[in-house]
Amino acid sequence: QVQLQESGPGLVKPSQTLSLTCSVSGGSISSGNDDWSWIRQTPGKGLEWIGYIHYSGSTYYNPSLKSRLTILVDTSKNEFSLKLYSVTAADTAVYFCARREGGFDAFDIWGQGTMVTV
Amino acid sequence: EIVLTQSPATLSLSPGERATLSCRASQSVSSYLAWYQQKPGQAPRLLIYDASNRATAIPARFSGSGSGTDFTLTISSLEPEDFAVYYCQQRTNWPLSITFGQGTRLEI
Repeated sequence: QVQLQESGPGLVKPSQTLSLTCSVSGGSISSGNDDWSWIRQTPGKGLEWIGYIHYSGSTYYNPSLKSRLTILVDTSKNEFSLKLYSVTAADTAVYFCARREGGFDAFDIWGQGTMVTV
Repeated sequence: EIVLTQSPATLSLSPGERATLSCRASQSVSSYLAWYQQKPGQAPRLLIYDASNRATAIPARFSGSGSGTDFTLTISSLEPEDFAVYYCQQRTNWPLSITFGQGTRLEI
């Protein structure tokens, strides 16, 4: 059973970089056509998809965040990461990592989420 | 960006009753529509994918229908554990767009 776990600082100063890691256990991040996403949730904007990465390294970012965003994968550690640059208070949110199994349009496995305050 | 509008914002029902939740897309998403349940302090849980397919281990009282721009999640007979917030989510590929609705709170 694949499980995801987010980790990273819970507090980031304005203008700095928010960095989070999602560790994948119980399965391989290099599995087939799965892709691995970051999603955030705020009371005001609700759930917002941030971007995804495939184990090959290909990425796709939400256009609204693209200029401040990098998502990387480390297959040797079975994890992927998020870097969001030049953060403001508007980036305060619960950040989730999630899997989309290849061939499906939905996120079937989610991490528990981690609260990040700017 | 495709906007998903969920209605009602809040639905007040009793255990045993039938719940009908709506999700409307600003343009066609074909059948690429999913539904999630979220309880306080938890991550969303996938209920329905491709508009009408139940995810693994989801009880049969949950069903989804619709295509194009209008979708419905139905809970046939509410159990106490069903009171939560429900979100719809779409994914279209050309160009890639993934968005969520604002949620419907199902309360006792």
